[in-house]
Amino acid sequence: AQSVTQLGSHVSVSEGALVLLRCNYSSSVPPYLFWYVQYPNQGLQLLLKYTTGATLVKGINGFEAEFKKSETSFHLTKPSAHMSDAAEYFCAVSGTGTYKYIFGTGTRLKVLA
Amino acid sequence: SAVISQKPSRDICQRGTSLTIQCQVDSQVTMMFWYRQQPGQSLTLIATANQGSEATYESGFVIDKFPISRPNLTFSTLTVSNMSPEDSSIYLCSVVVGGETQYFGPGTRLLVL
Repeated sequence: AQSVTQLGSHVSVSEGALVLLRCNYSSSVPPYLFWYVQYPNQGLQLLLKYTTGATLVKGINGFEAEFKKSETSFHLTKPSAHMSDAAEYFCAVSGTGTYKYIFGTGTRLKVLA
Repeated sequence: SAVISQKPSRDICQRGTSLTIQCQVDSQVTMMFWYRQQPGQSLTLIATANQGSEATYESGFVIDKFPISRPNLTFSTLTVSNMSPEDSSIYLCSVVVGGETQYFGPGTRLLVL
């Protein structure tokens, strides 16, 4: 069985500050992990993904995430927040051999001027 | 990746009626999914749209309420039948490209009065 927990349904940061969005997962098989962003009135856009190999994954728009097996975490970070980063962020997990995703409940990021 | 379009982008419907949502992909894909995103919530998988056979529904979703067609590898429809206000949601289709990554359409925003 797989599950995803996103800590913090709402996160506020100042423009230029570090963005940290938390994601913990559980999986009975080696996980594939994903971060998606949803801007208002839009669909989901893939930010980055971890499947195998390097545990530090870089994505679009300056975001990156690190897969930490010992902590079962895949937190999303960005060194400096921009106003355009305001959106909803979803973490998702799937497992080797399955295409189905389990999504977290989402974190709404607010960027303060 | 893949370019995915959905029609309609949004609609307002009366209770008791049905709405058919179309999903078109710019390339042939094997795996296609339909999701529901209720207001302020995460994504829930409705079903896997199988080409040439009946869709595979997740727990809590039934064919009579959400009939799905998949006539070929680039197109699918989801019908929301006998609608009630509780069906007001965003409905999204997604496809698997590159082995394990899902790409999402822009969504159909449905309001049932």
